[in-house]
Amino acid sequence: QLQLQESGPGLVKPSETLSLTCTVSGGSISSSSYYWGWIRQPPGKGLEWIGSIYYSGSTYYNPSLKSRVTISVDTSKNQFSLKLSSVTAADTAVYYCARLGRSSALNAWYFDLWGRGTLVTVSS
Amino acid sequence: EIVMTQSPATLSVSPGERATLSCRASQSVSSNLAWYQQKPGQAPRLLIYGASTRATGIPARFSGSGSGTEFTLTISSLQSEDFAVYYCQQYNNWPPLLTFGGGTKVEIK
Repeated sequence: QLQLQESGPGLVKPSETLSLTCTVSGGSISSSSYYWGWIRQPPGKGLEWIGSIYYSGSTYYNPSLKSRVTISVDTSKNQFSLKLSSVTAADTAVYYCARLGRSSALNAWYFDLWGRGTLVTVSS
Repeated sequence: EIVMTQSPATLSVSPGERATLSCRASQSVSSNLAWYQQKPGQAPRLLIYGASTRATGIPARFSGSGSGTEFTLTISSLQSEDFAVYYCQQYNNWPPLLTFGGGTKVEIK
């Protein structure tokens, strides 16, 4: 059974770079059927898509974060990673990694598997 | 950029009653809409995709409808485990963009 697990520092100082890794277990990140993504949720607020990556390295980012975000993939480790630069308190959130799956019959795309999420606090 | 607006922000419903949640897109997304359920302290769970197709293992009391800019998630008879926050998400212009709505909290009346 495929599982996703986020890892990384829970505390980041303002102006520094937030770095998280998502490890995929029980299946290959190199499947041609899926994208992989990062979503965040500030405390008490809604979900915000950060960006997604294909195993080949193609990336797509939320325009509101694009200037600060880099998502990369390491197929040899079955991992993908998030870097968010110049963080402020507004970047404090639970960060989720998730699989973006597809129904080819409907040309539908949806996040069908999620990690448990990791809280990242931006504070000095 | 497509903006997804959910209403109401909070819905108070008694167990056994029907809940109707709305999601509106700022421009047409055809039927390219998904719904998620999120309980406190948990990751979201996929409920519906293609506006009306239930995901694997989702009970029949959950149904989705709509197309274009107006969508509805209906829970026919609320069970205790259904009290949660629900999000819609459009994928009409994926790639490169995905957008979530702001969420509707379904609480016990």
